[in-house]
Amino acid sequence: AQSVTQLDSHVSVSEGTPVLLRCNYSSSYSPSLFWYVQHPNKGLQLLLKYTSAATLVKGINGFEAEFKKSETSFHLTKPSAHMSDAAEYFCVVTNNAGNMLTFGGGTRLMVKP
Amino acid sequence: NAGVTQTPKFRVLKTGQSMTLLCAQDMNHEYMYWYRQDPGMGLRLIHYSVGEGTTAKGEVPDGYNVSRLKKQNFLLGLESAAPSQTSVYFCASWSTGAYYEQYFGPGTRLTVT
Repeated sequence: AQSVTQLDSHVSVSEGTPVLLRCNYSSSYSPSLFWYVQHPNKGLQLLLKYTSAATLVKGINGFEAEFKKSETSFHLTKPSAHMSDAAEYFCVVTNNAGNMLTFGGGTRLMVKP
Repeated sequence: NAGVTQTPKFRVLKTGQSMTLLCAQDMNHEYMYWYRQDPGMGLRLIHYSVGEGTTAKGEVPDGYNVSRLKKQNFLLGLESAAPSQTSVYFCASWSTGAYYEQYFGPGTRLTVT
């Protein structure tokens, strides 16, 4: 079975500083991995996905993530935080068939002015 | 395309009451899912369907029933609501193919008093 651990439940950054949200996964096969964002009282929006192509994946709104098999990690980064980035972020891994998702517990990103 | 829609958006129930949540998708997807989201726990899979007329249990199925009579609709039922079912419910759909992306509805916020 696959699993995913988001290492920080809360991250606080100042506007204009870099963002790092950490995610480790466990899987017995080569997984597909995603990052979703959820703004307050909103649904989930796909930020980016890794599906065994390039290990550095670029997403929307300046976010990117790097798949590191040796470290079983898929950390999300952004060079410069914006106030509108304040939200909950979920790291997600698929099963081997790609039709089931397992969610991490989420990381709440706070951005200070 | 409307994508994935959910009805209703909000609902308050008393303990013991029943209700049905409706999920509809217009993308002709084979797979549909119901999740619940609780604070600090990410999304957990309740039930899912791999096609019209089929349903299967997910991680947290107790207290819920589902039906998929039409390909585009997936219903989630609570026969006797309990306070522990207070949550935000998300529906999602997915199609086989190269993208491995689930599309999510906007969510239904359910409170059981």
